[in-house]
Amino acid sequence: DTGVSQDPRHKITKRGQNVTFRCDPISEHNRLYWYRQTLGQGPEFLTYFQNEAQLEKSRLLSDRFSAERPKGSFSTLEIQRTEQGDSAMYLCASSSKDRSKYSGANVLTFGAGSRLTVL
Amino acid sequence: AQSVTQLGSHVSVSEGALVLLRCNYSSSVPPYLFWYVQYPNQGLQLLLKYTSAATLVKGINGFEAEFKKSETSFHLTKPSAHMSDAAEYFCAVSVQGAQKLVFGQGTRLTINP
Repeated sequence: DTGVSQDPRHKITKRGQNVTFRCDPISEHNRLYWYRQTLGQGPEFLTYFQNEAQLEKSRLLSDRFSAERPKGSFSTLEIQRTEQGDSAMYLCASSSKDRSKYSGANVLTFGAGSRLTVL
Repeated sequence: AQSVTQLGSHVSVSEGALVLLRCNYSSSVPPYLFWYVQYPNQGLQLLLKYTSAATLVKGINGFEAEFKKSETSFHLTKPSAHMSDAAEYFCAVSVQGAQKLVFGQGTRLTINP
């Protein structure tokens, strides 16, 4: 178990460019989450996958954002036509399906994040 | 919808002193509550979670938290602070059947020698 890996760790881009982040979850985890964290704030939910199915998307995920998990393993988060407001840390997390009566109490394992700076 | 409020964006204590980080939640149904810690350049790590069993929850590194329904609180404590406790701490809430966590804005803990 090597944990959740995210790549790249840092990305600096110019406004209007496209960027893509990759997340490799813990191999036996079937759930994958993307969060965004801006300076001085807690993580904000963006989207969630169970296997390859994207089951929930936040209103924060505008049309310029797209996430995929094509084979139910790694995931990518693409931001098109980046804006300065997109500058943030993008966090990926994974978890296994909670088969206990405490559904919703899944423990998320987070990656170290991908920091995006849009100039 | 659920929400979390962490009182105090920055808390500073002396090494060996009591650590108290405050978290209040809002939920129309019984919540699940979590504390995560984030060290610089690392991902968030789970400290402890509450799932409606014991109201006093013990976590890693000597931390514990008590669920108080009447006060809608889930404050995090540690009897004696250590320099290695310096980090950002996040309280989070979820509910039965939900798939996402809702986080508070975080509290940065500084330990003074």
